[in-house]
Amino acid sequence: EPEVTQTPSHQVTQMGQEVILRCVPISNHLYFYWYRQILGQKVEFLVSFYNNEISEKSEIFDDQFSVERPDGSNFTLKIRSTKLEDSAMYFCASTTVETTNTGELFFGEGSRLTVL
Amino acid sequence: GQSLEQPSEVTAVEGAIVQINCTYQTSGFYGLSWYQQHDGGAPTFLSYNALDGLEETGRFSSFLSRSDSYGYLLLQELQMKDSASYFCAVRDRSTGGFKTIFGAGTRLFVKA
Repeated sequence: EPEVTQTPSHQVTQMGQEVILRCVPISNHLYFYWYRQILGQKVEFLVSFYNNEISEKSEIFDDQFSVERPDGSNFTLKIRSTKLEDSAMYFCASTTVETTNTGELFFGEGSRLTVL
Repeated sequence: GQSLEQPSEVTAVEGAIVQINCTYQTSGFYGLSWYQQHDGGAPTFLSYNALDGLEETGRFSSFLSRSDSYGYLLLQELQMKDSASYFCAVRDRSTGGFKTIFGAGTRLFVKA
């Protein structure tokens, strides 16, 4: 069964360093999302991306964050200068036109970011 | 903005029925989804209601009342493997495209 894949599964970085989290959405999906989940807390929306541009972003998604679809398969989240509070699990998700109408998001297994 | 309220945790016994309620406030409501998340895992889609009424998928059912801004997830014949967190999530369209906003989650403990 097709799935969303994310790399790395775990990254440890020093405060102030740049981090790039990578996602390969399901191949025929057109809508892409990044969410984050601080340990034990809720899943928080960061950004949605469609047709090579951001369609929605939350207050969390400030100038330190950026997303890119550098080729036909990868979808990346960059954090320019990490802070301690960026430590979280970051989930990538994707949907098709059909499943975006049925509310279904397909999530990857997540990338755990630890900022020291 | 959007807000969702759901109980923080629920405990039930194996074989029982449990209902997890969710109330929401949002200006661009399109539908209510439910997701299951086991510890250390990714959220997994369970169901979606765009219209009022009950949707049934096996042991799980979900209900929506748009006029009351309320929904619930009903889990029947509980099994130990159902112990997980359950999130209600609103599909919302406000200023731009669609986004799905999650509630804080309900931790379900199933006891033998």
